[in-house]
Amino acid sequence: DAGVIQSPRHEVTEMGQEVTLRCKPISGHDYLFWYRQTMMRGLELLIYFNNNVPIDDSGMPEDRFSAKMPNASFSTLKIQPSEPRDSAVYFCASGDRRLAGANVLTFGAGSRLTVL
Amino acid sequence: DAKTTQPTSMDCAEGRAANLPCNHSTISGNEYVYWYRQIHSQGPQYIIHGLKNNETNEMASLIITEDRKSSTLILPHATLRDTAVYYCIVRVGYGGATNKLIFGTGTLLAVQP
Repeated sequence: DAGVIQSPRHEVTEMGQEVTLRCKPISGHDYLFWYRQTMMRGLELLIYFNNNVPIDDSGMPEDRFSAKMPNASFSTLKIQPSEPRDSAVYFCASGDRRLAGANVLTFGAGSRLTVL
Repeated sequence: DAKTTQPTSMDCAEGRAANLPCNHSTISGNEYVYWYRQIHSQGPQYIIHGLKNNETNEMASLIITEDRKSSTLILPHATLRDTAVYYCIVRVGYGGATNKLIFGTGTLLAVQP
């Protein structure tokens, strides 16, 4: 398996633009997580899905952020409109409930977002 | 989930064993100890987890005290590539009501040549 695939790896955009980050989880994993990492706040869990259904989005900072998982092999995290404070590295991770209840996660390489 | 306490940073000489401590004095009976690490500019990587018995895999060993209030991650022969932030997380083994793996600030391990 190629692991968790994220795209784009780097994104530079201007304030007010829409940003879409993409994630392909490991085949067969039934959990998908979106995290955000900044120097100030560390790794923060934004939202997670189980069997393509959003379970907990309490970490999503505000209405500008939305996430979808239309099928088991694809998820998106969208920011509209983007702001400079959204600059961060966004990680996608997937897990299998058969592996310690999906506490053993495989992370992607991350998408580094810079909003000017 | 039980709170964990880790040193902010540690140094280790290349080729020597790196012993990373973690305190989790409020751990409950059904909570496991998980270790992840994050090498600079990469995503976090799972290392090992355990409940009460010591565990070993190809990456590391995990030693959990008998009272389960603390644990130590051991990298037997540290290399420069082991320089990373190491996270100790305590979590119900099978998710419980939610499946939220929360990362703290971890320990920055610097392996010195």
